[in-house]
Amino acid sequence: QVRLVQSGTELRKPGASVKVSCKASGYTFSDYYIHWVRQAPGQGLEWMGIMNSSGGRKTYAQKFQGRVTMTGDTSTSTVYLEVSSLRSEDTAVYYCARDRALAPLFFGGMDVWGQGTTVTVSS
Amino acid sequence: SSELTQPPSVSVSPGQTARITCSGDALPKQYSYWYQQRPGQAPVLMIFKDNERPSGIPERFSGSSSGTAVTLTISGVQAEDEADYYCQSVDSGGNSVTFGGGTRLTVL
Repeated sequence: QVRLVQSGTELRKPGASVKVSCKASGYTFSDYYIHWVRQAPGQGLEWMGIMNSSGGRKTYAQKFQGRVTMTGDTSTSTVYLEVSSLRSEDTAVYYCARDRALAPLFFGGMDVWGQGTTVTVSS
Repeated sequence: SSELTQPPSVSVSPGQTARITCSGDALPKQYSYWYQQRPGQAPVLMIFKDNERPSGIPERFSGSSSGTAVTLTISGVQAEDEADYYCQSVDSGGNSVTFGGGTRLTVL
């Protein structure tokens, strides 16, 4: 079945970086874009950006530009989200989610989600 | 503006109809999407393109659109429908995704 499996829980100190992975299976990896969405404790969903499977095409939410990098590895069907200069406000569950539209289309809704990766930023 | 506004909470009794609204200036130009999120779980797509239901989503979930507002309707609410619901759309320029603040549905 179609799945997105994310890497495990991370604990980082303020100022450090974190890299979260998201491995796709059950579908043709290059056929769909991937979104990154985060959710701080007790808060709503926040969109971070979208990328194609190789990472060659991406759009970052304005709030995260300069601090977030999205990359992809087509050989392993895995996408990555790296967040640098972490601060306590970045403590959240980070999700990858597949866009429902068939590439090159996107912004068609998010039909498959990873299980989430908890990132805690604390000194 | 790309903001989407939802009521923080909606309460209904089992078997009744719940309606959750979402308003935003870009909604006449862009499709809306709805997600259900139960505690500790990832969101699930319930409605796409304003009123279409993915396979496996019960028929009691439906979506509608009128001007700058969209509505998620849950007919014959069941206890298992208690969750947070988020609307989502794209800004009027088609450049970024926006989520509403979420609505907690309580089944009394």
